[in-house]
Amino acid sequence: AQKVTQAQTEISVVEKEDVTLDCVYETRDTTYYLFWYKQPPSGELVFLIRRNSFDEQNEISGRYSWNFQKSTSSFNFTITASQVVDSAVYFCALTLLNNDYKLSFGAGTTVTVRA
Amino acid sequence: DADVTQTPRNRITKTGKRIMLECSQTKGHDRMYWYRQDPGLGLRLIYYSFDVKDINKGEISDGYSVSRQAQAKFSLSLESAIPNQTALYFCATSDLGRGGQETQYFGPGTRLLVL
Repeated sequence: AQKVTQAQTEISVVEKEDVTLDCVYETRDTTYYLFWYKQPPSGELVFLIRRNSFDEQNEISGRYSWNFQKSTSSFNFTITASQVVDSAVYFCALTLLNNDYKLSFGAGTTVTVRA
Repeated sequence: DADVTQTPRNRITKTGKRIMLECSQTKGHDRMYWYRQDPGLGLRLIYYSFDVKDINKGEISDGYSVSRQAQAKFSLSLESAIPNQTALYFCATSDLGRGGQETQYFGPGTRLLVL
């Protein structure tokens, strides 16, 4: 079984503030992949990052950073110095090697960045 | 041109009507997926296909059928639409990359309203 929980339904910040999105996952498998996708108001889903279960290194891409901690089954996402263009719904997802790589999505966190 | 296209982008239909949503991709990927998105529920997998002869049910396949006409085309049908099938539908494609790592890339979505 696999499950992803995004406890934060909505987050509202003022521009230039940092915002951290929480993602907690559940699986008994040892080989799995974690993802973050962004869904801007236009509706499409944009792939942001993939992380496999054997690589716990944190990653930074511009203003985006990800903190993967297997000990707490978390894969959190931080936007530094947020901008209005960051306003979107962000989804965390999990896929298992032993489950046909089917993606299980969290319910999503809506981020609103106010000017 | 977009790598993954969906037609139509918006559709309004009546209860009991048959409707087909189409997905085409130019990425050359073998794997294709159909998801639906409902508010507060994230995305849920309807059907997936690993090649033209391989079709699999996802977690919410009841009321839906699919057809993989070619590697590049994967259609979703609602044989007799009902109002609770009103949702945003996404097609996705993926390729099992090096080391078994896979990333799904999504189309722009189809908004379906069943009256």
